[in-house]
Amino acid sequence: QKEVEQNSGPLSVPEGAIASLNCTYSDRGSQSFFWYRQYSGKSPELIMSIYSNGDKEDGRFTAQLNKASQYVSLLIRDSQPSDSATYLCAVRMYGNYQLIWGAGTKLIIKP
Amino acid sequence: DTGVSQNPRHKITKRGQNVTFRCDPISEHNRLYWYRQTLGQGPEFLTYFQNEAQLEKSRLLSDRFSAERPKGSFSTLEIQRTEQGDSAMYLCASSYTEQGITEAFFGQGTRLTVV
Repeated sequence: QKEVEQNSGPLSVPEGAIASLNCTYSDRGSQSFFWYRQYSGKSPELIMSIYSNGDKEDGRFTAQLNKASQYVSLLIRDSQPSDSATYLCAVRMYGNYQLIWGAGTKLIIKP
Repeated sequence: DTGVSQNPRHKITKRGQNVTFRCDPISEHNRLYWYRQTLGQGPEFLTYFQNEAQLEKSRLLSDRFSAERPKGSFSTLEIQRTEQGDSAMYLCASSYTEQGITEAFFGQGTRLTVV
């Protein structure tokens, strides 16, 4: 079992709708969770971080963390074509400095 | 520009040659990371520095790879005797940890092609 799992997609969402991206992780000691956006040929760009259970909102983005179920999700409201990218979930375990990454979910927003 | 800077952006080299990449982190960040990414995969951890000390190195990193961070500022990643399997995007990230909150920011990456 991979440590951080994401559905590779592609996930196709109409413009203006809500895009929902999910990530599960295997280590219960994980304490920090991050969502990065990566456009093709570019480097990852941090869009959200979340450290405690519940929801965290930033503009059109909401991150949701459920440590009991070991999943973290990202919701994108009012999806725009510019949101089309690969979304990477990254997890840091307690006492460890490196990030463990999922393979990413490709999101396509259809105009 | 106060972001993470990587040079060069692209490097094409012949198999067997040595290559060196440079990363300039965000100035107030004390931690620096190197990752490698291939198509369709998430970044793969290579090594990590806190200030000038290299604190962690991936088991996947062969002896052909070496990284330095003299004076705790910029870092270099050298690959000796390159192989075609080394072709990838090499990513550098930096972070500053405060009260348990650590957010890592990436440079533009160096795309290496070994022919």
